[in-house]
Amino acid sequence: EITLTQSPATLSVSPGERATLSCRATQGFNQNLAWYQQKPGQVPRLLIYGASTRATGIPARFSGSGSGPEFTLTISNLQSEDFALYYCQQYTNWPLTFGGGTKVEI
Amino acid sequence: EVQLAESGGGLVQPGGSLRLSCAASGFTFSSYGMNWVRQAPRKGLEWVSGISADGDDTYYADSVKGRFTISRDNSRNTLYLQVNSLRAEDTAIYYCAKTAIGGSYWYFDIWGRGTLVTVSS
Repeated sequence: EITLTQSPATLSVSPGERATLSCRATQGFNQNLAWYQQKPGQVPRLLIYGASTRATGIPARFSGSGSGPEFTLTISNLQSEDFALYYCQQYTNWPLTFGGGTKVEI
Repeated sequence: EVQLAESGGGLVQPGGSLRLSCAASGFTFSSYGMNWVRQAPRKGLEWVSGISADGDDTYYADSVKGRFTISRDNSRNTLYLQVNSLRAEDTAIYYCAKTAIGGSYWYFDIWGRGTLVTVSS
């Protein structure tokens, strides 16, 4: 099983700043990694797939990079609506696994 | 509009069973793999189970293997999860999630609102 470790657990930033979130896997793999955003009381929303491809409707300030075992989600020019929980997920091996999440807060 | 609507959750005693359902609409259900993902209170996301578009292949997290069974009825556009031998640690919101594209790329583009399963005596 591939374990994903996200860091930091909490990231405190100000609007307009850049946030860099890390997702590290216990083994190397290709780019079968996705990122999701979840706001309180809401369902997760797909942001990035294939490590770097933005999903439909996702603003360009969200960007993904990396390949196994190290991946990064960068949020540039943070907006108020970006303060949320972010999860990475690998889909290269069964069982599918999620990281523990990073909370981006003000 | 693409939609997923879960039902069947509730309060159940330890050792009990439930059958969760997920009604799909707005897309060709039979063309996509489907999944169950759960989220315990104030915890992160945990993938539980997945099933191929034709239902022939099923996959489970180790934590539920042997206790949960995923299935689908493509004629009814419905996904199921039979959950048996429930434990307190199975308490969670159970989300139905659609695989974004057919084939072997198992990330999720559409999520339902979830159904809450509470295991308690």
